[in-house]
Amino acid sequence: EAGVVQSPRYKIIEKKQPVAFWCNPISGHNTLYWYRQNLGQGPELLIRYENEEAVDDSQLPKDRFSAERLKGVDSTLKIQPAELGDSAVYLCASSFRSGGPNTYEQYFGPGTRLTVT
Amino acid sequence: RKEVEQDPGPFNVPEGATVAFNCTYSNSASQSFFWYRQDCRKEPKLLMSVYSSGNEDGRFTAQLNRASQYISLLIRDSKLSDSATYLCAVTASGSARQLTFGSGTQLTVLP
Repeated sequence: EAGVVQSPRYKIIEKKQPVAFWCNPISGHNTLYWYRQNLGQGPELLIRYENEEAVDDSQLPKDRFSAERLKGVDSTLKIQPAELGDSAVYLCASSFRSGGPNTYEQYFGPGTRLTVT
Repeated sequence: RKEVEQDPGPFNVPEGATVAFNCTYSNSASQSFFWYRQDCRKEPKLLMSVYSSGNEDGRFTAQLNRASQYISLLIRDSKLSDSATYLCAVTASGSARQLTFGSGTQLTVLP
């Protein structure tokens, strides 16, 4: 089974520039998450999708961040304009609503390492 | 107080040693608990879920103590390949599908 796919793996941009990240979840996983991970910290949730609906975006800085999952499969996360403090690893994860004891296990993609200069 | 707290370590142990990590959580309503392993510059990988009765997977044993609100991970017969950061994750208040992660505990197994 293919895992969560993310691109690009690395991105270096100057501050004030826009940047976008793409995620393809595990096939059949209807829940998709975007996380941000800073060095030495655990992942922090930015937004969660159930199919194409954003059901939790309370931690998403909406002045500069946006996300979409138009057909309930792939998702993009955008930052415009980027700031120095946005440098981090952006992780996408997905999970499948099975109804069983493992319902909410999340599986992560390799992440996009963003450096804002 | 952070929702999920872990001792950052580092824990440096010799090969073959037994090592245990604890993770405390503040939300008594949390229902699901997990341990993830994260290698340097890699994504977190699910190590194991933590069930109320405790569970074991080879050299790894996870326990849940609801009364004291902590989970633990025990690694027996440590291998060099166990060197990584171990993250605990707990479901957030109001959502069984939203995880809150600790900052991780760094383990180095020495030859």
